[in-house]
Amino acid sequence: DTGVSQDPRHKITKRGQNVTFRCDPISEHNRLYWYRQTLGQGPEFLTYFQNEAQLEKSRLLSDRFSAERPKGSFSTLEIQRTEQGDSAMYLCASSPWGPGANVLTFGAGSRLTVL
Amino acid sequence: GQQLNQSPQSMFIQEGEDVSMNCTSSSIFNTWLWYKQDPGEGPVLLIALYKAGELTSNGRLTAQFGITRKDSFLNISASIPSDVGIYFCAGQHALSNTGKLIFGQGTTLQVKP
Repeated sequence: DTGVSQDPRHKITKRGQNVTFRCDPISEHNRLYWYRQTLGQGPEFLTYFQNEAQLEKSRLLSDRFSAERPKGSFSTLEIQRTEQGDSAMYLCASSPWGPGANVLTFGAGSRLTVL
Repeated sequence: GQQLNQSPQSMFIQEGEDVSMNCTSSSIFNTWLWYKQDPGEGPVLLIALYKAGELTSNGRLTAQFGITRKDSFLNISASIPSDVGIYFCAGQHALSNTGKLIFGQGTTLQVKP
């Protein structure tokens, strides 16, 4: 068990470009979450999957954001036409089904800087 | 988005001192979690609480699930330099089982050797 892996760890992009982040959850976890964290704040929920189904999306997730988990394993978060306000740490987390479902294990995050 | 009220916002203490921080919510939670985050890293789970009144320890850390189900406390005894970091409380609303957590704003802890 290597924990939750995120890639890339850092991304610097110009405004208007598209970026994609990848998350590999703990292998036996069927729930996967995306959170966003800005400087000086706690993480904020964006969306979550149970297996391949995306079950909830936050109002923070504008139509420029899309998340997928096609085979119920890894997930991608794409941001189109990035804006400076998208600069943040994007955190992925996973949890198992059943006991412990509410206990999230986080990855190290992908830090996005939009110039 | 909604966040919990976590206090204090920051603490600067001497090595060996005990530390207390707390978190309050306007609504009832069914789960309280405490995480620690180092710069440039993701949050790491310290303690999970599932029942009102529950008191759980993890080494020098002790956390409690408030009996009103609207608050939680974290205590660190005999602090050491590696306790430095940002501590976050997180909770899940009572009627939810989605793992959608609400986080506090964090307590930044600095320890002077």
